[in-house]
Amino acid sequence: EAGVVQSPRYKIIEKKQPVAFWCNPISGHNTLYWYRQNLGQGPELLIRYENEEAVDDSQLPKDRFSAERLKGVDSTLKIQPAELGDSAVYLCASSREESGDPFFGPGTRLTVL
Amino acid sequence: AQSVTQPDIHITVSEGASLELRCNYSYGATPYLFWYVQSPGQGLQLLLKYFSGDTLVQGIKGFEAEFKRSQSSFNLRKPSVHWSDAAEYFCAVGAGPYSGGYQKVTFGTGTKLQVIP
Repeated sequence: EAGVVQSPRYKIIEKKQPVAFWCNPISGHNTLYWYRQNLGQGPELLIRYENEEAVDDSQLPKDRFSAERLKGVDSTLKIQPAELGDSAVYLCASSREESGDPFFGPGTRLTVL
Repeated sequence: AQSVTQPDIHITVSEGASLELRCNYSYGATPYLFWYVQSPGQGLQLLLKYFSGDTLVQGIKGFEAEFKRSQSSFNLRKPSVHWSDAAEYFCAVGAGPYSGGYQKVTFGTGTKLQVIP
């Protein structure tokens, strides 16, 4: 089966600009995660979806970050406006259900100048 | 609060040598523990996990890990390292008994493994 697809793979923007990341989970996977991985750190959960419902967004900086999963399949993570500290790799993962092992995508590496 | 410590930022081993990557965790109840591998440009891949039962867990690619509650450790081992094992390895601890342990997963900072011929 195809893995988790993320695009773009790399993005360079200037601070204060908006940016969006897209994730297509593995077919049939109801649970979707967005993680942020800063350089030299492990991933940190931003938000978790069960189908189209965001069941855990406690770590999402809601002043500038937003996410959606309108039809319970693809998901978009947006930052507006981006700050220098947002430079990181943004990872998407999906699992068949909330108790299943998540499969990770390759990530989007964001550089904010 | 839960936490994971991987004391070794970088480890170099010779191909064919044995490997042990250290992981110490802090968690108030029964931990759910994981090891992931991340190759350059690749997503994280689950190597193995421990929820309960036998404290020696076998994973993919010939890896194993041993849960030692008394030492709050979950070290990853491999008897003979291959050049393709060069990657970054992350230990993680999960909270919650009713989501396969994936609720509130906390990752360590990772250990980069270099394999020399």
